[in-house]
Amino acid sequence: GAGVSQSPSNKVTEKGKDVELRCDPISGHTALYWYRQRLGQGLEFLIYFQGNSAPDKSGLPSDRFSAERTGESVSTLTIQRTQQEDSAVYLCASSQTSGHEQFFGPGTRLTVL
Amino acid sequence: ELKVEQNPLFLSMQEGKNYTIYCNYSTTSDRLYWYRQDPGKSLESLFVLLSNGAVKQEGRLMASLDTKARLSTLHITAAVHDLSATYFCAVPGDSNYQLIWGAGTKLIIKP
Repeated sequence: GAGVSQSPSNKVTEKGKDVELRCDPISGHTALYWYRQRLGQGLEFLIYFQGNSAPDKSGLPSDRFSAERTGESVSTLTIQRTQQEDSAVYLCASSQTSGHEQFFGPGTRLTVL
Repeated sequence: ELKVEQNPLFLSMQEGKNYTIYCNYSTTSDRLYWYRQDPGKSLESLFVLLSNGAVKQEGRLMASLDTKARLSTLHITAAVHDLSATYFCAVPGDSNYQLIWGAGTKLIIKP
């Protein structure tokens, strides 16, 4: 596709449920990033993937958060046992290689009731 | 720890006025990125500044980078309502892929 896509665009879930968010990066982009953005706040780095290298998970806030990426394609961010404080917009970005300009998807707005 | 500070965090201005948003960062970096975020939307890349003294302009927006002062500015000339958005600056962190983000400057331009 022409840009980074994410699905779903909106997700409403009940506290304690698991959710899975999907990101399709720009074709050919080796680097993929997940960020969290709380309402009215800046970007909080979550995780970074570069090709087949081990991901940098240093930004994941707890062990309820995990992410996977197969090769240089789709990534999924999974949040287990969701809490109300997980409510935020989750943004995915990709870049041609590490350190380059990042291109963002439209985000998934997660609401935990 | 690398910190990126933007000011002001909120700016309300009239159409036709000029203003500058500042982005300071705490460690050496030869690159800086500016992004725009419209309400309820994702981030859009505005400028990539790759060297000391770099200046880029698009329309009514002009960005510059002074790596010695660890400062970037985003100047708005004769503001129009369509420029209302939140503007973020970002600087590469300790690793060459991670970007450290400023908190954003919410700009409201009143017609």
